[in-house]
Amino acid sequence: QQQVKQSPQSLIVQKGGISIINCAYENTAFDYFPWYQQFPGKGPALLIAIRPDVSEKKEGRFTISFNKSAKQFSLHIMDSQPGDSATYFCAARTQGGSEKLVFGKGTKLTVNP
Amino acid sequence: NAGVTQTPKFQVLKTGQSMTLQCAQDMNHEYMSWYRQDPGMGLRLIHYSVGAGITDQGEVPNGYNVSRSTTEDFPLRLLSAAPSQTSVYFCASSYSRRGARSGANVLTFGAGSRLTVL
Repeated sequence: QQQVKQSPQSLIVQKGGISIINCAYENTAFDYFPWYQQFPGKGPALLIAIRPDVSEKKEGRFTISFNKSAKQFSLHIMDSQPGDSATYFCAARTQGGSEKLVFGKGTKLTVNP
Repeated sequence: NAGVTQTPKFQVLKTGQSMTLQCAQDMNHEYMSWYRQDPGMGLRLIHYSVGAGITDQGEVPNGYNVSRSTTEDFPLRLLSAAPSQTSVYFCASSYSRRGARSGANVLTFGAGSRLTVL
């Protein structure tokens, strides 16, 4: 049972373009939705996160859009750069005392110069 | 402040051998966890701990043991390695919600340990 479904599996965009990665979930007990960025040979690192009481959060060129009723959230990377080429994971955390995250399967983003 | 330190970075085992992947953090994080990363599968939770002396199973715990005798260390043990355990393993830690200094609690990952079981 995959709790967070992520698409697409891979994405190729041109420099300056917009990259969009989508995630969907079923569990309404999730209360925190982070995105992680992973470069080859490195561990994932937190990129940006949102709570379900907010519909959008923007940090620089990165924006999360959140649709609570549809149980979907997405990452938008504006003005994509070759340095953004990485694997991106969406994740979700369940309410309660544990901090454990469930992750999507990841999207490999390639930004061509 | 080293963050989350994993050792070894690379390891090759034969089927049936045992080994321990080490994880240490110096951020006084209460929560620690182990994930495995396989191509096309994302990150899957193996075991986690919410504090010293407390551990629990994640999504894929079979074949792995953990213990948490101190706040800083969270080793992952493979008692009898199998080729299906060939993977990249990540340790991650964070403050618990009770100890979080801000609303967004950040899960900090180590650099990973690549394990090959022949």
